[in-house]
Amino acid sequence: DAGVIQSPRHEVTEMGQEVTLRCKPISGHNSLFWYRQTMMRGLELLIYFNNNVPIDDSGMPEDRFSAKMPNASFSTLKIQPSEPRDSAVYFCASSSWGGGDRREQFFGPGTRLTVL
Amino acid sequence: AQKVTQAQTEISVVEKEDVTLDCVYETRDTTYYLFWYKQPPSGELVFLIRRNSFDEQNEISGRYSWNFQKSTSSFNFTITASQVVDSAVYFCALSGNTNAGKSTFGDGTTLTVKP
Repeated sequence: DAGVIQSPRHEVTEMGQEVTLRCKPISGHNSLFWYRQTMMRGLELLIYFNNNVPIDDSGMPEDRFSAKMPNASFSTLKIQPSEPRDSAVYFCASSSWGGGDRREQFFGPGTRLTVL
Repeated sequence: AQKVTQAQTEISVVEKEDVTLDCVYETRDTTYYLFWYKQPPSGELVFLIRRNSFDEQNEISGRYSWNFQKSTSSFNFTITASQVVDSAVYFCALSGNTNAGKSTFGDGTTLTVKP
């Protein structure tokens, strides 16, 4: 299996620009999670989906952040407009949940975002 | 509400020493799942082990062992004969039986193994 795929791996942008992070979960997994990790705040859950439906977006910091999952194999996290304080590593993770499965999360390699 | 506490923020040991990372959890769920993840300096988060609440059997995998005790709500992780490659941040996590697999993570323990 290819594992969770994230792109880009690194993104450097200027304040005010739109940023789109992409994630392809492991085939067959039905839950997808977006996290943000910084030294100051640690690992934070931003939003998660189950069967392509957003379940909880209470971790999304502001309206500047949005996430979509148009199908089972693709999700995006968008920041518009970006700000320097958004600089972090963003992780996508997927898992199989339901029908007796209560499985662990598998993480992508992360996208390191730097907003200048 | 669920909570995971990793009281040890940082641990430093010398190679070949044994080290135990503590994890204490809180949950009202009768069925739940516990996990350990490793984040080496390269940055990726790697799943290590899952333990179901109805299975208190301890597990050993090479130099790694896990001690799950429901009576004390703990799920501790021991590395025997530590090696420099074990240096990483280790996260303990808890998932209930609902919420589509959402996990509550501890703040992590940074382990440094010195040669």
